Amino acid sequence: DQQVKQNSPSLSVQEGRISILNCDYTNSMFDYFLWYKKYPAEGPTFLISISSIKDKNEDGRFTVFLNKSAKHLSLHIVPSQPGDSAVYFCAATTNSGSARQLTFGSGTQLTVLP
Amino acid sequence: SQTIHQWPATLVQPVGSPLSLECTVEGTSNPNLYWYRQAAGRGLQLLFYSVGIGQISSEVPQNLSASRPQDRQFILSSKKLLLSDSGFYLCAWSKQLGYTFGSGTRLTVV
Repeated sequence: DQQVKQNSPSLSVQEGRISILNCDYTNSMFDYFLWYKKYPAEGPTFLISISSIKDKNEDGRFTVFLNKSAKHLSLHIVPSQPGDSAVYFCAATTNSGSARQLTFGSGTQLTVLP
Repeated sequence: SQTIHQWPATLVQPVGSPLSLECTVEGTSNPNLYWYRQAAGRGLQLLFYSVGIGQISSEVPQNLSASRPQDRQFILSSKKLLLSDSGFYLCAWSKQLGYTFGSGTRLTVV
């Protein structure tokens, strides 16, 4: 059972336009959400996060929106740049158990066309 | 500052051979440590996590094992590799909410 889903395996956007990456989750116990960016043959790097008590968090060109009632979050990148081309993973975690574990989506390959 | 080292970067091993991947963390103490795997075309799957020396939790049944002989060392092992063990293996550490990943090991079992 996939608790975190990224239903779009790929997305292509023109440079300068907005990129919107979507993520859905099923576990209502998730209380913290993160986006990671991954280049080929490298480890994921943290991009931006949001707590379940908020509905928006912004950091430069990156904004994450959380809709708890819909169990949906999205990452907006404005304006998109060619260097943003990478795989983006949505992740969620809950404060239960002995260590916070991240549950990842399957990723979305973003390609920003010059 | 904290850093995480993972090696080797790439590895090609024959079926049935043993495996040992090592991960070390610097600049922090008593971190939570994790091994993840990314199979081709799929997301990141948690394999093991550890909250302290000698404490290992396994998330999925598999052909692999993990050990934590020292506070900042996490080792992923197998006695006999299978073809299905091929993938991209990532070590990570965390304290509280932050997660930091290593650079990964590309394992190809032939």
